[in-house]
Amino acid sequence: DAGITQSPRHKVTETGTPVTLRCHQTENHRYMYWYRQDPGHGLRLIHYSYGVKDTDKGEVSDGYSVSRSKTEDFLLTLESATSSQTSVYFCAISESNRVQKLFFGSGTQLSVL
Amino acid sequence: AQTVTQSQPEMSVQEAETVTLSCTYDTSESDYYLFWYKQPPSRQMILVIRQEAYKQQNATENRFSVNFQKAAKSFSLKISDSQLGDAAMYFCAYRSSGANSKLTFGKGITLSVRP
Repeated sequence: DAGITQSPRHKVTETGTPVTLRCHQTENHRYMYWYRQDPGHGLRLIHYSYGVKDTDKGEVSDGYSVSRSKTEDFLLTLESATSSQTSVYFCAISESNRVQKLFFGSGTQLSVL
Repeated sequence: AQTVTQSQPEMSVQEAETVTLSCTYDTSESDYYLFWYKQPPSRQMILVIRQEAYKQQNATENRFSVNFQKAAKSFSLKISDSQLGDAAMYFCAYRSSGANSKLTFGKGITLSVRP
């Protein structure tokens, strides 16, 4: 299995608080992605990165920011968490933008009360 | 923007039987990649099979095969000899061949396997 670690695995927080999720990889892959999974919506891309300090928005980026200061870490921040951001968050990595598959982390269950 | 449609939210199959999960997509590109991912209750995302659009031959991985119809923009997954362990949510996904391309998922289908 690809070396991807998401932390924390579970988090409960209150509306209005900042939250940071971490994705750490040991594969030295260039591309990293943050997805959220919600019932009836599948997985939707929040942000992605194609290199250190190179990031771009996905389809549901409002309310989220990301940072990638080194190859192995990709951080997702909810500046002020809202209940609509309660979701399962997945990090994924890929070596290139070709057919190589994405490797997924185990997910973070975030509950915003 | 590319879209991926999985119109069936749920399906059920008898153990040892064959089931087909449907997927359609919309794109104006000619070169792209298609995938089926499996998500069991453990929540782990597992790649089942992948297909390059430029290849006419349908991909096969053991009991899993696809029916890729490029003109119809259809990419269905056939599971033969269904097993209890096949019960999971299945996602169809699309990825263009362009630089910095992203994986776009369908909404998923929940497959149950009856013993």
